[in-house]
Parts: sequence; C-alpha cells; structure tokens
Amino acid sequence: NAGVTQTPKFQVLKTGQSMTLQCAQDMNHEYMSWYRQDPGMGLRLIHYSVGAGITDQGEVPNGYNVSRSTTEDFPLRLLSAAPSQTSVYFCASSPRRAYTQHFGDGTRLSIL
Amino acid sequence: QQPVQSPQAVILREGEDAVINCSSSKALYSVHWYRQKHGEAPVFLMILLKGGEQKGHDKISASFNEKKQQSSLYLTASQLSYSGTYFCGTGQANAGKSTFGDGTTLTVKP
Repeated sequence: NAGVTQTPKFQVLKTGQSMTLQCAQDMNHEYMSWYRQDPGMGLRLIHYSVGAGITDQGEVPNGYNVSRSTTEDFPLRLLSAAPSQTSVYFCASSPRRAYTQHFGDGTRLSIL
Repeated sequence: QQPVQSPQAVILREGEDAVINCSSSKALYSVHWYRQKHGEAPVFLMILLKGGEQKGHDKISASFNEKKQQSSLYLTASQLSYSGTYFCGTGQANAGKSTFGDGTTLTVKP
C-alpha cells in the first residue's frame, strides 16, 4: 500500500527560486493537509483541503500556495523561497473531518 | 489555536510510567496521539472522539475529558522503544483541519 507519497525527499534551493512539493494519496481521502516542522519543533499547519476544489489557510500560510484539482493530489508551491522556509514538510491525508492524519515521509527542504 | 502539551520533556528508566498532557482553549471534537522518531514521520497511536472515552494499545492508553478540553496519554512500564517525541493533534467539530501541540520528548534509559 502506497498511502501518502511525497516527492522529492530532499531539495536545496537558492533564495528567490520557486518550486512545487508534490503530494499524492491513494486512499480516496477527502481531507488533505500540509504541515511544516522546524528542527525540534512541532507541526505547523500551512494549508488544508476538505475536498477537490476547496482549500483554506492554516496557521502559517504566507509564502505558500496550494490547489486541489483532484482527490488524489495536493501540491504545495513555494512562490519565492526564503531561508526562513528551510524546514521539513509533511503532507497528510484523513478520511474524515478532524480525524486521524496519515503522514507522508516528508520533504527536507533547505534554502540557501 | 494549537493545543498545549506538558511536560516538554521526560526522562525515564525502563519500567517506569509517564503521563503526557494535552489541553486546548477550544471545545474539542477529537484528540489523536502520534509518536515521532528522529528523522521519521509521525506515526499514529490512537484517537479519542467522545468525552470520557479511553483507548488502549498494549501498555499505552489515553483519556479524553471533554468538559476540561484535555487529554492525557499514559505510558506504563516503559520500554526503550517508547523513546521519541509525542504529539497530540486536536480537531474542532466545525473545522476540517487538525492542529498539533509542540510535542513532548520522551527518553527511556536502560
């Protein structure tokens, strides 16, 4: 079972570059979320989606965009990378509202 | 509003017990607990949906006090494999999102 798949696993960017972190799930979950985790810290919600075509902001949305054109995919776009966005990014999906989160393995992003 | 976890860190010897608390300023629909090992993704432990509900998994159990908007995770007779960072996630009834506490780092020593 694939579950939640994130690509790439590692990425190094220069300040000002843009990129898209990919997230795909094969469990037909309606709910998907993006979190960032800074070293030694907790998980901060960036954006989330309650279904295809519906997205909303989380706690730390600035500098990030999302879209949800299909149930399976929920990409996260960094518009203009900044060193403060260096972090580990986790995508998660859930079958129900406010329910168990199934996490991907994460993308480790460094911005120089 | 993210939930608040306490304590921030715990150090135990094998066989000792620990309690990790999670509290919220908002009415809760769900509380779910995860353990994260260094460099890995969080792994789901259990979820509680009703006030007063208790769940158990081996020697790890949890309770949920809906009135107090609090949950506690109980680890009994701790093993070396219990080491890691424990997170509580919370959800409100009218929201499609879950937010997480800052975590509690548990270290179990031989």
